[in-house]
Amino acid sequence: SQQGEEDPQALSIQEGENATMNCSYKTSINNLQWYRQNSGRGLVHLILIRSNEREKHSGRLRVTLDTSKKSSSLLITASRAADTASYFCATDEGSGNTGKLIFGQGTTLQVKP
Amino acid sequence: ETGVTQTPRHLVMGMTNKKSLKCEQHLGHNAMYWYKQSAKKPLELMFVYNFKEQTENNSVPSRFSPECPNSSHLFLHLHTLQPEDSALYLCASSLDIAGGQFFGPGTRLTVL
Repeated sequence: SQQGEEDPQALSIQEGENATMNCSYKTSINNLQWYRQNSGRGLVHLILIRSNEREKHSGRLRVTLDTSKKSSSLLITASRAADTASYFCATDEGSGNTGKLIFGQGTTLQVKP
Repeated sequence: ETGVTQTPRHLVMGMTNKKSLKCEQHLGHNAMYWYKQSAKKPLELMFVYNFKEQTENNSVPSRFSPECPNSSHLFLHLHTLQPEDSALYLCASSLDIAGGQFFGPGTRLTVL
């Protein structure tokens, strides 16, 4: 089955810098979602971008989607120590809305104060 | 708080025990999910319920038995588990099966 793969696996930056994480997937999709997870806790939904959208913003978050390259990126601007977490992309299966999401391994982001 | 609660938050059980995990959502959502998160592995979908009907069973062993009595509650009944079943079990809900999912805090399960 398809799987979102995040890159890099780990990222360490200074507070105030921007953080960019990438996600690649294998098959067609209806939508792609980004989630954040603080250590050992539940995931928090950040953004959902549909296959016919190319870019979406939410506060300091910017998500792009390139369906021709089967890739997405998540940009966090002006990072804060509180942004330290793991970030996951998730895709549906594209063949119909089944509710089934395939998650990647995630990118672990550390923002140093 | 995401509006999705899970109990218990931590559970230690022997391989012969029977226990249940509970999930409740206060969001008026129609779809609910069980996920398993093991160390160094991607989050794995286990079950999907849409309007109380199971729509997805991701090849989950029968020692995991889900129950969805109504759109607000979801249970995962556990029996004769194996040590490799130790993981964080996450429940989620969404307004419909195409939308973003709201996750509970998870139950940390340890099987001895």
